[in-house]
Amino acid sequence: KNQVEQSPQSLIILEGKNCTLQCNYTVSPFSNLRWYKQDTGRGPVSLTIMTFSENTKSNGRYTATLDADTKQSSLHITASQLSDSASYICVVSGRGGGGNKLTFGTGTQLKVEL
Amino acid sequence: NAGVTQTPKFQVLKTGQSMTLQCAQDMNHNSMYWYRQDPGMGLRLIYYSASEGTTDKGEVPNGYNVSRLNKREFSLRLESAAPSQTSVYFCASRATGTGDTGELFFGEGSRLTVL
Repeated sequence: KNQVEQSPQSLIILEGKNCTLQCNYTVSPFSNLRWYKQDTGRGPVSLTIMTFSENTKSNGRYTATLDADTKQSSLHITASQLSDSASYICVVSGRGGGGNKLTFGTGTQLKVEL
Repeated sequence: NAGVTQTPKFQVLKTGQSMTLQCAQDMNHNSMYWYRQDPGMGLRLIYYSASEGTTDKGEVPNGYNVSRLNKREFSLRLESAAPSQTSVYFCASRATGTGDTGELFFGEGSRLTVL
């Protein structure tokens, strides 16, 4: 069964600090992996996509990595801001299907405090 | 740009009542989806429509029906609501085919409580 596991489940950090969120998956065959940010009371919004051949990709203060051999991804947030408080969801797409081939993680709830 | 619009945003129902959640997208996307999100669980696919005129069951379709009214609109109906259907419902769309990056565009969610 395809699974996506995220850790930690929740995290509290001080503003200005860095943090790293983890995503492990068992989806096969693999197509791509996306990180979404979901603000409280809003829908998820895509931050970045990682394909099989990509190791690292940055989007501002967000840097995602992918190790397709170990089936692990991470999302690193640099110099955190209060606005980074949200749930971060890892979504893995299996090859050969449309949206019905997506497997969602349960998310990491990040809270950034003063 | 409106993107994906869902209505209503909040709804309280009594067990056995029926209701329809409406969803519309203005991005000319082919595929549309309905998910539910419950605490401690990932988003779960209820139904999806790969293109206008087609619908298919997802992971948790029991108790729901859908209608792809046209390319823009995809509605979710609860015929006889049950407390287990208390959840936040998200509609999403995706380009598919030419221009598809695999990205889902979500609505703001509809919070449903069944008493």
